[in-house]
Amino acid sequence: QVQLVESGGGLVKPGGSLRLSCAASGFTFSDYYMSWIRQAPGKGLEWVSNIVGGGSIMTYADSVKGRFTISRDNAKNSLYLQMNGLRAEDTAVYYCVRANWGFDYWGQGTLVTVSS
Amino acid sequence: EIVLTQSPGTLSLSPGERATLSCRASQSVRNNYLAWYQQKPGQAPRRLISGASSRATGIPDRFSGSGSGTDFTLTISRLEPEDFAVYYCQQYDHQYGSSPWTFGQGTRVEIK
Repeated sequence: QVQLVESGGGLVKPGGSLRLSCAASGFTFSDYYMSWIRQAPGKGLEWVSNIVGGGSIMTYADSVKGRFTISRDNAKNSLYLQMNGLRAEDTAVYYCVRANWGFDYWGQGTLVTVSS
Repeated sequence: EIVLTQSPGTLSLSPGERATLSCRASQSVRNNYLAWYQQKPGQAPRRLISGASSRATGIPDRFSGSGSGTDFTLTISRLEPEDFAVYYCQQYDHQYGSSPWTFGQGTRVEIK
């Protein structure tokens, strides 16, 4: 069965950096676009970034462009999100998601809190 | 960027009633690349509908999606207690360089 397990969240000061990881299993990882989606406390869903199966094309929301970098290692069935220049408004649960006619499988999420 | 506007913000209904949720796009959603999700408190969202009208595996047939272009609807024919949740629409144009994949702001379906 498909499983997506995020890790790497935590408390970080404004301006700091954090790297999220997602371990995927139960499907041929390299065949799928993968995405990061976030949800601020009590708020709606916000798409953050996509990466194509081969890893050559990445797309970002304007709110994170230039600060966040999505990447993947297909040999390790892993997805990553490098987050630099973190701001208070980046505080959210970050979900690792498989993109397939929308988003068909979601991880449980990892909480990132940006606060001094 | 395609902006999705959902209405109403909150829907107050009783179990057994019909729920009709709207999602309007600021420009046409190419190939009806429109999905609906359900989210319950403390849980990740669950995809209900893709391609505007195709139910995902395991989704009960009381959930149906319709629409095309800029106007889409999610209908729950008879609300069950477990259907009270927040619902989001989302567009996912696959074409490289196209609009970012955006979500609507959500509709909360609450027990009246």
